[in-house]
Amino acid sequence: EAQVTQNPRYLITVTGKKLTVTCSQNMNHEYMSWYRQDPGLGLRQIYYSMNVEVTDKGDVPEGYKVSRKEKRNFPLILESPSPNQTSLYFCASSRAGGNEQFFGPGTRLTVL
Amino acid sequence: ELKVEQNPLFLSMQEGKNYTIYCNYSTTSDRLYWYRQDPGKSLESLFVLLSNGAVKQEGRLMASLDTKARLSTLHITAAVHDLSATYFCAVIKGAGGTSYGKLTFGQGTILTVHP
Repeated sequence: EAQVTQNPRYLITVTGKKLTVTCSQNMNHEYMSWYRQDPGLGLRQIYYSMNVEVTDKGDVPEGYKVSRKEKRNFPLILESPSPNQTSLYFCASSRAGGNEQFFGPGTRLTVL
Repeated sequence: ELKVEQNPLFLSMQEGKNYTIYCNYSTTSDRLYWYRQDPGKSLESLFVLLSNGAVKQEGRLMASLDTKARLSTLHITAAVHDLSATYFCAVIKGAGGTSYGKLTFGQGTILTVHP
């Protein structure tokens, strides 16, 4: 089944404790992105990648890191999480050329 | 900076009625997307609109794009309860090439359909 998977789905952590949210897609898509969703703000893009080793900042990259070492994986790294990073995070992938994005199930992160 | 604004943000409809959600964006774009999100769920792609005058229909939903006015509409015909969800439009800034990676979403329209 074609899908985007994220792990973990739920995470409660404390300020300053490094964490990684994994994202994987099995559709051989070139593009992958990370978004955060907050009430009243819609989805905001954190980082995106157009292929292996090619990444760029979205609208809200501060406090996040990404890497794209393999085409199928695009992990999101929070080196020192803070409470304002409490949010619902979505990973998405798409074929090159402006096609629709396929979204993962989401990761609900709480930073205490 | 690209801004994408939807209105209304909240829409309460009676079953059987028609209504339109509007999506305005501030800079040139050649791609506009509509997504649906059910409560507690992920986003589902509804439409990809690729050019000026594009119109796409699926069931009771019809989306259109006017790139000159920088406006897209999502029209709901004879609403039913199953259409209750949050609807997002999203826009790529610019046209072609590397711009296709960067997507800006509207705030979302929460649609509730009542019997």
